[in-house]
Amino acid sequence: AQSVAQPEDQVNVAEGNPLTVKCTYSVSGNPYLFWYVQYPNRGLQFLLKYITGDNLVKGSYGFEAEFNKSQTSFHLKKPSALVSDSALYFCAVRDDGAGFQKLVFGTGTRLLVSP
Amino acid sequence: DTGVSQDPRHKITKRGQNVTFRCDPISEHNRLYWYRQTLGQGPEFLTYFQNEAQLEKSRLLSDRFSAERPKGSFSTLEIQRTEQGDSAMYLCASSLALEGYEQYFGPGTRLTVT
Repeated sequence: AQSVAQPEDQVNVAEGNPLTVKCTYSVSGNPYLFWYVQYPNRGLQFLLKYITGDNLVKGSYGFEAEFNKSQTSFHLKKPSALVSDSALYFCAVRDDGAGFQKLVFGTGTRLLVSP
Repeated sequence: DTGVSQDPRHKITKRGQNVTFRCDPISEHNRLYWYRQTLGQGPEFLTYFQNEAQLEKSRLLSDRFSAERPKGSFSTLEIQRTEQGDSAMYLCASSLALEGYEQYFGPGTRLTVT
């Protein structure tokens, strides 16, 4: 069975500092990994994904994530946080098998960026 | 590209009533998904369609829930005899049928059962 863990309910960071939001996963095959962001009363916005290839993937709004197969992790990073980055972030995974289309989400990490 | 749209955005209903939600996917996307999100949780998969075929249903989708996508375009999710436990945000997403393609989400329909 697929699963995702986001060990931190909340991450606090000062504007201009680097940020990391952690995610670990479990799948039976090879993982497809995704990060989404959710603003209040809004749906989820796609940020970036890892399918194959380079372990460091770049996405929207200056975010990037590093895939680490040995640690089964896919942490979200940004070199310099903005107050406007404050939101709820979800990591999601699915197996790469053709019969697996559903995304399994973590419980989310709230990012608070202080001015 | 107008994105995924959902209607209504909010629905308040009394326990025991039936409700129906609509989702319009991105026009060229042939896969459509329904998820449910409760407070403090990530979205949970309910079901998905490829074109008009419903290919997977979660065990969360009890007999009171039914989803359709009759012409492979918009989809409806109906909940019969609503219960207070059905109160949640219902999210629709769509994607192309390409390996690894990401899902794009609509704004959701927030259901409150009183």
